[in-house]
Amino acid sequence: GAVVSQHPSRVICKSGTSVKIECRSLDFQATTMFWYRQFPKQSLMLMATSNEGSKATYEQGVEKDKFLINHASLTLSTLTVTSAHPEDSSFYICSARAGAGGGETQYFGPGTRLLVL
Amino acid sequence: DAKTTQPTSMDCAEGRAANLPCNHSTISGNEYVYWYRQIHSQGPQYIIHGLKNNETNEMASLIITEDRKSSTLILPHATLRDTAVYYCIVGNNNDMRFGAGTRLTVKP
Repeated sequence: GAVVSQHPSRVICKSGTSVKIECRSLDFQATTMFWYRQFPKQSLMLMATSNEGSKATYEQGVEKDKFLINHASLTLSTLTVTSAHPEDSSFYICSARAGAGGGETQYFGPGTRLLVL
Repeated sequence: DAKTTQPTSMDCAEGRAANLPCNHSTISGNEYVYWYRQIHSQGPQYIIHGLKNNETNEMASLIITEDRKSSTLILPHATLRDTAVYYCIVGNNNDMRFGAGTRLTVKP
């Protein structure tokens, strides 16, 4: 299957700082990338959908000014957690898909574990 | 507003087939059934997906009922490494939303 990478795999930061997480599709061009968040013992929650070259679409309850998403190329999307606070500590996972039609497979990255002190 | 219903947990003996059910009674005509699994602290891994017909690949088989209201994922010979949370997701890939999934434990 296709490969999606994330960097960093884990990050620890101080409260009030910003953290950038990168998501790359390594062997295919991703027209759409998705960002999820997963708290301990819970399922994945979709945060936003981003299409290359356009603004991201955020899910209800997700602050777009706090979670900045940039999808500048067909192989890279970034999620920046601005002014991070301890409650933002979570497992952030991206996914990517190549096409736009029904039946296209989404491939997931390995996740980034964020700890805000 | 989960579109799928799965048992919370299941056990399976190593070497036996694991049959994981999923109910999706409100599935619409253009929606696919996707299965992913997540091993602890990793990103979800794609397993298989289908629309109407049964599907098989090197990992698993997917059996979809004729009315498409339910499906079963079959791992033919479960190993200890198949212990994971298995997610059944219904959609057309525009917004893949995860339910609680089934925690499968393969026991020796």
